[in-house]
Amino acid sequence: GAVVSQHPSRVICKSGTSVKIECRSLDFQATTMFWYRQFPKQSLMLMATSNEGSKATYEQGVEKDKFLINHASLTLSTLTVTSAHPEDSSFYICSARDARVGNEQFFGPGTRLTVL
Amino acid sequence: AQSVTQPDIHITVSEGASLELRCNYSYGATPYLFWYVQSPGQGLQLLLKYFSGDTLVQGIKGFEAEFKRSQSSFNLRKPSVHWSDAAEYFCAVGPYSGAGSYQLTFGKGTKLSVIP
Repeated sequence: GAVVSQHPSRVICKSGTSVKIECRSLDFQATTMFWYRQFPKQSLMLMATSNEGSKATYEQGVEKDKFLINHASLTLSTLTVTSAHPEDSSFYICSARDARVGNEQFFGPGTRLTVL
Repeated sequence: AQSVTQPDIHITVSEGASLELRCNYSYGATPYLFWYVQSPGQGLQLLLKYFSGDTLVQGIKGFEAEFKRSQSSFNLRKPSVHWSDAAEYFCAVGPYSGAGSYQLTFGKGTKLSVIP
């Protein structure tokens, strides 16, 4: 199946700093990528849909100025958590849609963000 | 709005025993249903999906699921569990959102432990 990578896998930062998370589709082009957030013992919550070359579509309740998404190429989407605070600590997961396989979503391994 | 309920947070089975993971959904129209597995350090992997047709769906790794509209359920089954099946399992419903995209809503997951 298609492979999606995320970098970094784990990041610890101080409160007030910004953190960038990368999501890459390694062997296919993805016009659409998705960003999810997963709290412990909770389900994945869709944060936003990232479309190559256009603005991301954010889900209700997600602050677009805090979670900046850029999808500048067909293989890369980035999520920047700006001015991170401890409540932003979470597991962030991206997925990429592969049109070659019925638009199935392939998921990255996730990024564990800890804000001190 | 759609929702997914996985009643069992944690299930423990012996290796070789049969397995059934429960999933109930709420959705106003014909649902598109998915089961994913998440292993530590790995991205979510699609086990199987139901769009239409035969209500008994076969997936990878020996898993199957049965769609029961009258019960709003999509339970995952495996006749004989292997130790490598220990992981977190997520049920998801995804109405078609156009352009070949499915916007996934996930359940909270069921953690499966396997006793050797």
